[in-house]
Amino acid sequence: NAGVMQNPRHLVRRRGQEARLRCSPMKGHSHVYWYRQLPEEGLKFMVYLQKENIIDESGMPKERFSAEFPKEGPSILRIQQVVRGDSAAYFCASSLRGAGEAFFGQGTRLTVV
Amino acid sequence: LAKTTQPISMDSYEGQEVNITCSHNNIATNDYITWYQQFPSQGPRFIIQGYKTKVTNEVASLFIPADRKSSTLSLPRVSLSDTAVYYCLVGDEGPGGGNKLTFGTGTQLKVEL
Repeated sequence: NAGVMQNPRHLVRRRGQEARLRCSPMKGHSHVYWYRQLPEEGLKFMVYLQKENIIDESGMPKERFSAEFPKEGPSILRIQQVVRGDSAAYFCASSLRGAGEAFFGQGTRLTVV
Repeated sequence: LAKTTQPISMDSYEGQEVNITCSHNNIATNDYITWYQQFPSQGPRFIIQGYKTKVTNEVASLFIPADRKSSTLSLPRVSLSDTAVYYCLVGDEGPGGGNKLTFGTGTQLKVEL
């Protein structure tokens, strides 16, 4: 059973471009969480999704950021018109139910140049 | 939202037992206490979870007093490979019954020879 898979591992974008980060949860997991981690800081919650539904997006910036978890395929975190401040590690986690142990992916390191 | 407070850093030597205490004065009745470990450039990894008293697994023990306002993660006989950031989390029941993980700043544990 493969773990949580995130791709790409590293992503470089120029200011103003779009970044698309993908997350495939563990098999059978229908709860997905996205987190952002700035250098030397802890993880900050962004959004919690279940299949086809956004449950809690209280940590998402109001503009440029969106997330989805379609019925088929991976969860996608989309950042439009990236700025240098978006440079961070973005982690995805999945869980079997909405509580308890969550399994994290290796993260996508976004660099905006 | 239950907030957690833990030491920013701790130092230890190989073979010693390390105890990291976390305060969570506003913990709710339904909240569980969970600890995660994070190595540089990796996603967090679940260590242990508990609700009250004591929980032990193959890597750690978790002690929770009766008032549940604090918890202590105990790592027996640490090695260099235990050098990492340790996060104490308190379960947050979000909308729809889900659990949004809320990370604090964590404790940087450094193990030396």
